[in-house]
Order: sequence, then structure tokens, then C-alpha cells
Amino acid sequence: GENVEQHPSTLSVQEGDSAVIKCTYSDSASNYFPWYKQELGKRPQLIIDIRSNVGEKKDQRIAVTLNKTAKHFSLHITETQPEDSAVYFCAASMLAGTYKYIFGTGTRLKVLA
Amino acid sequence: DVKVTQSSRYLVKRTGEKVFLECVQDMDHENMFWYRQDPGLGLRLIYFSYDVKMKEKGDIPEGYSVSREKKERFSLILESASTNQTSMYLCASSVSQGSHYGYTFGSGTRLTVV
Repeated sequence: GENVEQHPSTLSVQEGDSAVIKCTYSDSASNYFPWYKQELGKRPQLIIDIRSNVGEKKDQRIAVTLNKTAKHFSLHITETQPEDSAVYFCAASMLAGTYKYIFGTGTRLKVLA
Repeated sequence: DVKVTQSSRYLVKRTGEKVFLECVQDMDHENMFWYRQDPGLGLRLIYFSYDVKMKEKGDIPEGYSVSREKKERFSLILESASTNQTSMYLCASSVSQGSHYGYTFGSGTRLTVV
């Protein structure tokens, strides 16, 4: 069935270093890939997204890359700061014509000061 | 800013009770969703709706039902609550696929079934 795998489940980095989170999806019909950040006790918030006709998108310290052939996409955070500590979820829109997203299992990022 | 409001932040219910979780959005979004969030399992889709009175099963619909009588309100119903339904429940809404914007989530309802 439809599936999104996300790795790693936890990630610790030193402040100022880069962090990379990777996701793979199973359905080649997927065409939209958002990333959500969830701080402790708060709702998930959309931080960046990418569509299947684009290979990379950047927004300040955050970037997402997409490899449609390999069916994987990645979140890159550069110059990490303590406020980047959170759980990050990737998602894929699996079927054309529907609106539902299938989420990965999440990555807990800890930025060590 | 789109607002998605879930009526309760915390709920404690007894096994066998019928439980209603309410979600209201104020931006005329067509699509609404219910997910449950469990550690290590991420967000799993329970039910979703594209329009009033319309509903579709997600990946884990067993033990749940939904109601969407008005566009702005999407209710999740636990017909007979069980301890394995103890979880964080998140409601979300979005505009139609033409724009394909991301979800806006509610703050969540942490349900404990005892």
C-alpha cells in the first residue's frame, strides 16, 4: 500500500552544524511533498513544500530536494539553532485527485548548544 | 490566518463510552481530516472529507466514525471507546487540490481512555 519511510528517527547535531532528514515514498503518482515541524506540545506547522516538477526549493536555512526517479526527498537545515529542535514530519500526496497526505513516522531533531 | 479549533485539549473517558471530538475551521476549506498521533508511528489518517456530508476512510478507520453536516465542522466519533484509542487526535483542513496548499492543523486533543 501507500507508504512513506522517514530516517533517522532521532538526530542530534551541534549548534551551527547541518541536519539532513530523508524520506522515501512508494507510489510514483505522488506529486506534492510537504514538511512539517512540531515543537513540543504544539501543532504541526508547514515549513516548506515541493512539487514534483521541481528538483529543489530553498527558504533561508531550509531546503528540500526531490529525486523522482529514486522516489526520495530530503530536508536540509543549515546553521542549526536550538530553536530548530523539534519533531519533523515528511508527507507525500499519494494519489492524483485526492487531498490526503501520508506522513512519515517523524524525526526528533535535537540541536545541542 | 486559518484557524482550526478543536473543542477539547484534554479528555478522559471510560471504556465503552461514546466520545465526540469536534473540529471547526473558519476559512471555508473544502477538505478536513482526522489523524491520530502516536510515538514512533507518526500521523495516521483515520477519516477525511472533501465536502459536506461526504466522508472517506483513511488507513485506520476501525472503531471510529465521522460526521460533516456543515462545511466548517468535522466531528470524530468513537462509538465505544477502548484503551487502545488513547492517543493524540489532530484535525486538519486544506483548500482544494488546485492550489494544493499544505494542511493547517488544530492544536490536538489528547484523549485518555481508562
